[in-house]
Amino acid sequence: DTAVSQTPKYLVTQMGNDKSIKCEQNLGHDTMYWYKQDSKKFLKIMFSYNNKELIINETVPNRFSPKSPDKAHLNLHINSLELGDSAVYFCASSLSTFMGGTNEKLFFGSGTQLSVL
Amino acid sequence: GQQLNQSPQSMFIQEGEDVSMNCTSSSIFNTWLWYKQDPGEGPVLLIALYKAGELTSNGRLTAQFGITRKDSFLNISASIPSDVGIYFCAGFHTGNQFYFGTGTSLTVIP
Repeated sequence: DTAVSQTPKYLVTQMGNDKSIKCEQNLGHDTMYWYKQDSKKFLKIMFSYNNKELIINETVPNRFSPKSPDKAHLNLHINSLELGDSAVYFCASSLSTFMGGTNEKLFFGSGTQLSVL
Repeated sequence: GQQLNQSPQSMFIQEGEDVSMNCTSSSIFNTWLWYKQDPGEGPVLLIALYKAGELTSNGRLTAQFGITRKDSFLNISASIPSDVGIYFCAGFHTGNQFYFGTGTSLTVIP
């Protein structure tokens, strides 16, 4: 069983299109994240949700909108895609990061490679 | 957001050699995590550290939580070709977010 699963694995699209990436975790965690990994392999946090509530919203264009229908799912919708959005996007989850959790661990999905043409 | 200083940035070593890398922060953490990322995959957790001075092993990998709580170290003994990949450190403090290192790219020459 995959603990954190995200789809699709690859996403190739034209500039200006709208696309979504879906993420699900079966670990029973309260906190979920979206990270962006650029060509230099830097991992940058984009958003974090704790039990469906937005906790972290880094400086990300408004074209990116996360949605968490329940604490096991965190989807990412991107409007009007631009060339600079090309990157690998990772979903991740942790037990209870913002509620005083201890012995925390962060688990990643396998990534979605987005290519905007 | 804060990015941790991880060094070296890249390493090219002969199979069988030992590897050392470290991560430093300007902030105190109560958790240090070490990950390995293979091409086309997500980072996989290798070792988790929760106490200053803690030394934890996972097979040929050993990691330490620095006494100052501002640094951590990862050692790989007797490297093998499948150790190739990018290694990331991550620091965490309760109630905050995870902060990642800049990564160490490891190449093992057979």
